[in-house]
Amino acid sequence: DAGVIQSPRHEVTEMGQEVTLRCKPISGHNSLFWYRQTMMRGLELLIYFNNNVPIDDSGMPEDRFSAKMPNASFSTLKIQPSEPRDSAVYFCASNRAGGADTQYFGPGTRLTVL
Amino acid sequence: SQQGEEDPQALSIQEGENATMNCSYKTSINNLQWYRQNSGRGLVHLILIRSNEREKHSGRLRVTLDTSKKSSSLLITASRAADTASYFCATASTSGTYKYIFGTGTRLKVLA
Repeated sequence: DAGVIQSPRHEVTEMGQEVTLRCKPISGHNSLFWYRQTMMRGLELLIYFNNNVPIDDSGMPEDRFSAKMPNASFSTLKIQPSEPRDSAVYFCASNRAGGADTQYFGPGTRLTVL
Repeated sequence: SQQGEEDPQALSIQEGENATMNCSYKTSINNLQWYRQNSGRGLVHLILIRSNEREKHSGRLRVTLDTSKKSSSLLITASRAADTASYFCATASTSGTYKYIFGTGTRLKVLA
C-alpha cells in the first residue's frame, strides 16, 4: 500500500508568492493532520481534519495560512503571501481514528522562502 | 507550547550500549506514542502505550508509562548505528479532540 504522499518534496519561492502544499492520505484513513517542523519550535500541529471537516485549526499561525480537504483523498495547505519565517518542513499525517491510532507521516515538503 | 518534553535533548553512546530517553507531559492522556525521525525524513511510529498500561515491549524497545508522574521512558537495548535518529514522544489527550502533541525530541547518536 502507498503511504502518505506529499508534493512537492522541495519548494523554493520568493517572499510574497503563494505556496500550495499537497497531501494524499492513506486510503481508508479519516483523520488528517498538517504539521510544521523547525529547529526553533520543533514539530507543531497546524490543523486537524476528521472526515474532511477541520476540527482544530488553533495551530494555524495566522490568516496567511489556510487548509482545505475537499474530499477524503486530498488536502492542501496554502500560504499566501509567503514570508521567510515560513521556511520549514511541512508534514502531513493520517490515521483511522485521530488520537486513538498510530499516525502515518508523509515524507514532508521542505519549503524555503527567500 | 509542546506538552511533551523529552530528556535529554541529545544523547551520544557507543554501539551495543543501552539508550534511555524520557518524556514528561502535563495533562491527562489517552495514550502515548514514541516516534523516530531519521535526518531529512518523516516520523515513523515505534510503539503505543495506553494510559492503563505500565510497560510495553517491541523487539529491542521497552517503554514504560507512569501516569502518576506524567512521564514515560523509552529504552533501546543493544543499540546499533542505525538507531541514530531523533526520538519524539506524542501524547493524545483525553479531552476528546484526539489530536497529538509532540515533544521536542531527543537526538540520539550511536557511534560505531
